[in-house]
Amino acid sequence: ELKVEQNPLFLSMQEGKNYTIYCNYSTTSDRLYWYRQDPGKSLESLFVLLSNGAVKQEGRLMASLDTKARLSTLHITAAVHDLSATYFCAPLIQGAQKLVFGQGTRLTINP
Amino acid sequence: NAGVTQTPKFRVLKTGQSMTLLCAQDMNHEYMYWYRQDPGMGLRLIHYSVGEGTTAKGEVPDGYNVSRLKKQNFLLGLESAAPSQTSVYFCASKPIPSGSYNEQFFGPGTRLTVL
Repeated sequence: ELKVEQNPLFLSMQEGKNYTIYCNYSTTSDRLYWYRQDPGKSLESLFVLLSNGAVKQEGRLMASLDTKARLSTLHITAAVHDLSATYFCAPLIQGAQKLVFGQGTRLTINP
Repeated sequence: NAGVTQTPKFRVLKTGQSMTLLCAQDMNHEYMYWYRQDPGMGLRLIHYSVGEGTTAKGEVPDGYNVSRLKKQNFLLGLESAAPSQTSVYFCASKPIPSGSYNEQFFGPGTRLTVL
């Protein structure tokens, strides 16, 4: 059974700072998704990481995947208030094409 | 394209009542999923479908049934609602993986309260 752990679960940071969210998972998966969720809203796709060593960047967010370590990271550079949201990682169970979600990291960015 | 839509957006039920949530997608996707999201938790998979006429159990299937009679629709049924089923329900769909394209799209959610 695939288990996913994100940390931290809560993160309060100041604008302009850098930080990293970690996503560890327990069994083999070579695809991993990152989503953003604003309060009361649905999930918005941020990144799909397709292979070991994959790195994707969009604006102030950069995601990476290390399938050997079973670890993905979401790095925030020079945070701005608009990035305040909950972020979820979800590795894919290959054969069944199912995602398993982490608990989410609630990110609050203060002026 | 409307993407993934869900009906209704909100519903309040009394314990023991039944209801059906409808998910529709217009992207011709093969895979469809029903999740529930509870406060402080990630999404948990209830049931899913890998194609028209197929369904399979997810992580938390008890108390729910599903049907996929048409490729574009995936229905989630609660036969006898319980307060523990108070949650936000999300539907999602995904195409058959093709090269680097493998994105899963989510509907807007249905907020269900069972009294």
